[in-house]
Amino acid sequence: NAGVMQNPRHLVRRRGQEARLRCSPMKGHSHVYWYRQLPEEGLKFMVYLQKENIIDESGMPKERFSAEFPKEGPSILRIQQVVRGDSAAYFCASSPPGLAGGRTWGSGANVLTFGAGSRLTVL
Amino acid sequence: TQLLEQSPQFLSIQEGENLTVYCNSSSVFSSLQWYRQEPGEGPVLLVTVVTGGEVKKLKRLTFQFGDARKDSSLHITAAQPGDTGLYLCAGGSYNTDKLIFGTGTRLQVFP
Repeated sequence: NAGVMQNPRHLVRRRGQEARLRCSPMKGHSHVYWYRQLPEEGLKFMVYLQKENIIDESGMPKERFSAEFPKEGPSILRIQQVVRGDSAAYFCASSPPGLAGGRTWGSGANVLTFGAGSRLTVL
Repeated sequence: TQLLEQSPQFLSIQEGENLTVYCNSSSVFSSLQWYRQEPGEGPVLLVTVVTGGEVKKLKRLTFQFGDARKDSSLHITAAQPGDTGLYLCAGGSYNTDKLIFGTGTRLQVFP
């Protein structure tokens, strides 16, 4: 079983360009989280999606950022008109159906499997 | 807003020493998870604790969940260079689908 696959692993963009980061969840997983990590910091929640539905986007900047998880294909985090402050590592994590969501945290069975991340550098 | 503060932020020790990392919040969590992250990689789950007062041991690592489920600690006995990495606590609660991550503790163990 392949784990969570993210690509590209490294992406360099100039200010004003667009960045597209892709995430393929583990086989059988139906829920995807995106997190951002700045150097020497913890992970900041961005968005939580299931197939064709955004469940929680409270951590997404209001402008330039969008995410989707189509019925077929990977989840995509899109950053338009990138600025230097967007330089960070972006991590995707997935969880299986039935073990996703707030009501399942207390079971101990809801755990996230992370990808290796996509490192965006904006010049 | 739920926040998880970790201390210390950085820790450099010699091989063989013991250490404790703390994860504190004013909020109650349904569960606390601990992850370790190595450079260039994603976080990898070490343990999940769900019951107040729970203690779990993983070889030289001991994890404790506070009685009130607001804090947790990670104790490493006889640290080894292979323990070097970023340690992250993360909390889940019933009223939110997202997992809240702590600020992180970067551990360096010198041979």
